[in-house]
Amino acid sequence: DAGVIQSPRHEVTEMGQEVTLRCKPISGHNSLFWYRQTMMRGLELLIYFNNNVPIDDSGMPEDRFSAKMPNASFSTLKIQPSEPRDSAVYFCASSHLFPYYEQYFGPGTRLTVT
Amino acid sequence: GENVEQHPSTLSVQEGDSAVIKCTYSDSASNYFPWYKQELGKRPQLIIDIRSNVGEKKDQRIAVTLNKTAKHFSLHITETQPEDSAVYFCAAPDTGTASKLTFGTGTRLQVTL
Repeated sequence: DAGVIQSPRHEVTEMGQEVTLRCKPISGHNSLFWYRQTMMRGLELLIYFNNNVPIDDSGMPEDRFSAKMPNASFSTLKIQPSEPRDSAVYFCASSHLFPYYEQYFGPGTRLTVT
Repeated sequence: GENVEQHPSTLSVQEGDSAVIKCTYSDSASNYFPWYKQELGKRPQLIIDIRSNVGEKKDQRIAVTLNKTAKHFSLHITETQPEDSAVYFCAAPDTGTASKLTFGTGTRLQVTL
């Protein structure tokens, strides 16, 4: 298996632009997680899906952030409009459901908003 | 939900020494405890995990111990090497969900020559 795939790996954009991050989970995994990592705030869970259904989006910082999972093999995280404080590394991870909690992370997308 | 605390936040050891990182959790129903290693600029990677039916698990130079009564678990690295330098995260499941893990805040381990 190729593991969790994320694209793009790096994104540089100007403030106010729309940013879309993409994730393909490991085949057969039922859960998908979006995390954000910064030096100041560490690793934060933004939202997660079970069986393509959003379960908990309480970590999404603002209405500017939205996430979708239209099918079992694809998810997007969108920021519109982007702001400099959104600069971070965004990780996608996937896992099976209970009792198999092992999460596997993608390589991350490094987002820089200028 | 689950609450996971991790200590220390930074740890410096000399090459060849042992390193121990400790985590506590709040949910007595938690039954799975993974450890992740994140090297600089890389993704967190699962290095070892333990389930609640055992008290200790080893894999070469790393081991994890679990004390369910006290609700804490620890990562032990023996004969540390420079390539062990990284940030280590512990985690525990939020048993109110079917998949969510709550992560500790991380320990930055520096192995010096």
